Amino acid sequence: DTGVSQNPRHKITKRGQNVTFRCDPISEHNRLYWYRQTLGQGPEFLTYFQNEAQLEKSRLLSDRFSAERPKGSFSTLEIQRTEQGDSAMYLCASSLAILENEQFFGPGTRLTVL
Amino acid sequence: SQQGEEDPQALSIQEGENATMNCSYKTSINNLQWYRQNSGRGLVHLILIRSNEREKHSGRLRVTLDTSKKSSSLLITASRAADTASYFCATVGGGNKLVFGAGTILRVKS
Repeated sequence: DTGVSQNPRHKITKRGQNVTFRCDPISEHNRLYWYRQTLGQGPEFLTYFQNEAQLEKSRLLSDRFSAERPKGSFSTLEIQRTEQGDSAMYLCASSLAILENEQFFGPGTRLTVL
Repeated sequence: SQQGEEDPQALSIQEGENATMNCSYKTSINNLQWYRQNSGRGLVHLILIRSNEREKHSGRLRVTLDTSKKSSSLLITASRAADTASYFCATVGGGNKLVFGAGTILRVKS
């Protein structure tokens, strides 16, 4: 399977704990995106990388959130001191750096903060 | 924040009927894309229409774009039970992020 993969698929944690998610993009894609989706809503942009450079961050990405893509391949998204409001589906997508920017999404990581 | 509104929020039709979903957006765009999301799964890209295009077809899908009204529509013809999903429009303007609407939930009854 050469699609976008995300791990874990589900994460249940207690408020105040730190969590880290991983995304492996399609291998030839140099752009990688993180989105967050809550129930009944469309995904909302969090941040994106071109190769290893983080080029844009949403104001949704508070200082408790950090994302990395150290070698321009996989990416991690860490949430520190989780809050119940962080409960959501976290989606990763990748694309080529072309104008049309069709993005390929992974299955997501569903986070539940108790 | 969400780009705009999708209409209707939910749609229930019989297998074989056509389904039409509408999307409005707020800012200027380079292109508009439609995605499908099955329950509990990731999003799948369906079709892209550029800002200088007015209509595009792909199989049973027909997309229109009216940049003067900042709106788009997605028509699914001869619907099937497998088309049951949430459908989202997403715009790409300045920058590279997708800005999604809230989606239309389509249910196709067999």
